[in-house]
Amino acid sequence: GAVVSQHPSRVICKSGTSVKIECRSLDFQATTMFWYRQFPKQSLMLMATSNEGSKATYEQGVEKDKFLINHASLTLSTLTVTSAHPEDSSFYICSARGGGPDTQYFGPGTRLTVL
Amino acid sequence: GEDVEQSLFLSVREGDSSVINCTYTDSSSTYLYWYKQEPGAGLQLLTYIFSNMDMKQDQRLTVLLNKKDKHLSLRIADTQTGDSAIYFCAGGPGANNLFFGTGTRLTVIP
Repeated sequence: GAVVSQHPSRVICKSGTSVKIECRSLDFQATTMFWYRQFPKQSLMLMATSNEGSKATYEQGVEKDKFLINHASLTLSTLTVTSAHPEDSSFYICSARGGGPDTQYFGPGTRLTVL
Repeated sequence: GEDVEQSLFLSVREGDSSVINCTYTDSSSTYLYWYKQEPGAGLQLLTYIFSNMDMKQDQRLTVLLNKKDKHLSLRIADTQTGDSAIYFCAGGPGANNLFFGTGTRLTVIP
């Protein structure tokens, strides 16, 4: 139980385009989902926390207009990187709260490369 | 926020035991967790310990918690090459506020 999927697993796009990443909890309902960014050989950096049906809470320094988060249902949250630039290239990981024990369960991550 | 520290690297020979250590500053964590990250993948919950426990054993994994010293460790018995990965400890006041360590890269030498 407590499986989280992410799609796509890898995306390459041109500078200036927008990219949408989906995060789904497959076998449980997640009222809260989280989006992290991970730089090479570093730990996770929390970007935002999203609650179903309400606006996401962004961490300090994360541009909410650039990283749009939508948590439209109890099993789906999306992160859209708008007008992507090379510095947005990174590994993006989502997680969903739920299951037992009460913790965050992580998706497999999405590798974004902006050319 | 909480500070969670881990040593960055650990190398062990296949068949030996691995011990990964973690220190934290916030004593309000109800649970403390160990996650494993393989290359190019997300984090997989390995095991966890409730804050009022001192030890938890789960097959090859043993978690030790010293609340007084705010020290958490993960021991992997009979380490295998498939155990090579990055291990993160995590804790916090609740599942909505998890603080992750820097990660320890475990390399298992055949």
